[in-house]
Amino acid sequence: GAGVSQTPSNKVTEKGKYVELRCDPISGHTALYWYRQSLGQGPEFLIYFQGTGAADDSGLPNDRFFAVRPEGSVSTLKIQRTERGDSAVYLCASSFGSSGGQETQYFGPGTRLLVL
Amino acid sequence: GENVEQHPSTLSVQEGDSAVIKCTYSDSASNYFPWYKQELGKRPQLIIDIRSNVGEKKDQRIAVTLNKTAKHFSLHITETQPEDSAVYFCAAYSGAGSYQLTFGKGTKLSVIP
Repeated sequence: GAGVSQTPSNKVTEKGKYVELRCDPISGHTALYWYRQSLGQGPEFLIYFQGTGAADDSGLPNDRFFAVRPEGSVSTLKIQRTERGDSAVYLCASSFGSSGGQETQYFGPGTRLLVL
Repeated sequence: GENVEQHPSTLSVQEGDSAVIKCTYSDSASNYFPWYKQELGKRPQLIIDIRSNVGEKKDQRIAVTLNKTAKHFSLHITETQPEDSAVYFCAAYSGAGSYQLTFGKGTKLSVIP
């Protein structure tokens, strides 16, 4: 089936504004992840969902960042009061979600966020 | 948590030569090690992975080796082609039962025609 999709592909906003980034995982994948990738760096873990619940949000940098997955499929990453330092590519990934972890993760194309 | 070190940060090779990228990890409970290729402006794409029950895995021109005792794993690309030019990332999970992938900082591979 289709791969992981993300919208929008690019987002430009002003400092202090609120943004929402959407991720649509591979059909049937119960595990969903958000990562942030700064220029010249590897992706950094933000949060992991198993079904509807956030099983691990230890990577969220502060309380301006929040993510939801109300129906266990599509997820939205929400950033309040954006700062210039939030500018990065936000990547979403999904996996089957079997017990035991350490699964293959499939990535979406990312949303490039620029905060002016 | 897991710490993944990747070397070199940049690598230039002549077309047809081999390229080797090395990674070390810190968590001895990690047992799955993927390699991703990322072209400019594109998504990371899985190119090969290895689990700790094997020491080597090969897929055409790409191979990965794993040394669990030394906690390092390597990507080998033979007969490099210009389309192999990209940034390559190694990754490892943070311990048994983990869902949190930790990535290396990446290696920018340039294949010179």
